[in-house]
Order: sequence, then C-alpha cells, then structure tokens
Amino acid sequence: DTGVSQNPRHKITKRGQNVTFRCDPISEHNRLYWYRQTLGQGPEFLTYFQNEAQLEKSRLLSDRFSAERPKGSFSTLEIQRTEQGDSAMYLCASSLGRGSGANVLTFGAGSRLTVL
Amino acid sequence: GQSLEQPSEVTAVEGAIVQINCTYQTSGFYGLSWYQQHDGGAPTFLSYNALDGLEETGRFSSFLSRSDSYGYLLLQELQMKDSASYFCAVRDWGANNLFFGTGTRLTVIP
Repeated sequence: DTGVSQNPRHKITKRGQNVTFRCDPISEHNRLYWYRQTLGQGPEFLTYFQNEAQLEKSRLLSDRFSAERPKGSFSTLEIQRTEQGDSAMYLCASSLGRGSGANVLTFGAGSRLTVL
Repeated sequence: GQSLEQPSEVTAVEGAIVQINCTYQTSGFYGLSWYQQHDGGAPTFLSYNALDGLEETGRFSSFLSRSDSYGYLLLQELQMKDSASYFCAVRDWGANNLFFGTGTRLTVIP
C-alpha cells in the first residue's frame, strides 16, 4: 500500500478559475476526509465521506466547493470561481470505518493551492 | 462547538523531556488525539486517548483527564528530528471528524 495519494501537489491559478484536486485513499479505508490548512494553523475540517456517501460538511464549505467520492474509492474536491482566500494546503485523510482504526487518520501529503 | 488550547511554541534541549499541554471544550467528548507534522509534511498520528490515564508508545506518552478536560503529550529523550508541530485534536460523540487545535511548534536545540 502506498498510503494516501493526492494530486496535483501544487496548483497555481488565477482568481476566478476552477480547480480540482484528487485523493486516492488507502484501499481498505472506507472513511475519507478533506481538511484545509493555512500556515501556522491546524487542519480545518471540510467534509467527510463514509464509502460514497457524503455525511458531514463544514460551514466552511461554501457553495463554491463540491466534493465527490464516486463508487466509494477516490475522491475529488472542486473549487469553483477561486478567490485569493482559498489559497491553502488541501489535505485528504482516510481511516477505517470502525473499531480503534476509525480514530487513526492517515493523511496524504496535500495539494497546495495558490490563487493569484 | 469545540475549542482547544495548546501553547504556540516550546523549546527544549536534546535528550530532555518535554510536555505539551492541551485543554479542550466540547459538547460531547469522545476522544483526544495527537498528531505530529514536520514542516512541509503531512500530519501523522501519534496517539489516541478515550479513557483517563497514560498511554505509552516508545518515547512518546499521552495522558488524558476527562474530568479536567485536559491532556498532554510527553516526549522523552528528545531528538533533533522531534522538531515539528504537534496538534491535539478532539472527536465529539456523534461526529465523525476530528477538530484540531492550532498546534505547538517544538524546537529541539543541541
């Protein structure tokens, strides 16, 4: 297993453009999370999937943000009409669905977004 | 809602012991976790406490007191590679996400 994979690692875009990030979780993990992290801060929760169902969304996730996890495998996070305030590291994490493993999140290396 | 407080910075000498404290406020506490993050790296899981007491994993130990809404991470025999940010995180009953604190930046000096 290669862990949680995120692509692209870096994305520079102009304000107003759309961007999409992909996350491939650990294969046996059925929970998938998206977090956002800015410099000097802790990860902020965005949304959570159990298999293909999106079960929780943070109020931070405005209507410009949308996440999907078709077939309960990889996930995509799309940001439409990007704003400079969207510049951050977007982290994906996965975990098992039950037992003690549900409390252990494995994070990917993140996708760094810079909006000019 | 949830809130977490932890010191923003700690400096300690190589070989010493350091304790990073975390106090939390949450509506329905389920467990306290600790994660380590090196500059430019991903957060990595260190420990999880759901019940009161001390959990030990090698040089790292984590403590929880639910009655005091308090926990700490204890790092022994500090090494230069332990220089990183350390985050405490809480999970609420009925919630599936972790809420992270703002982190403590640990600097280990020779």
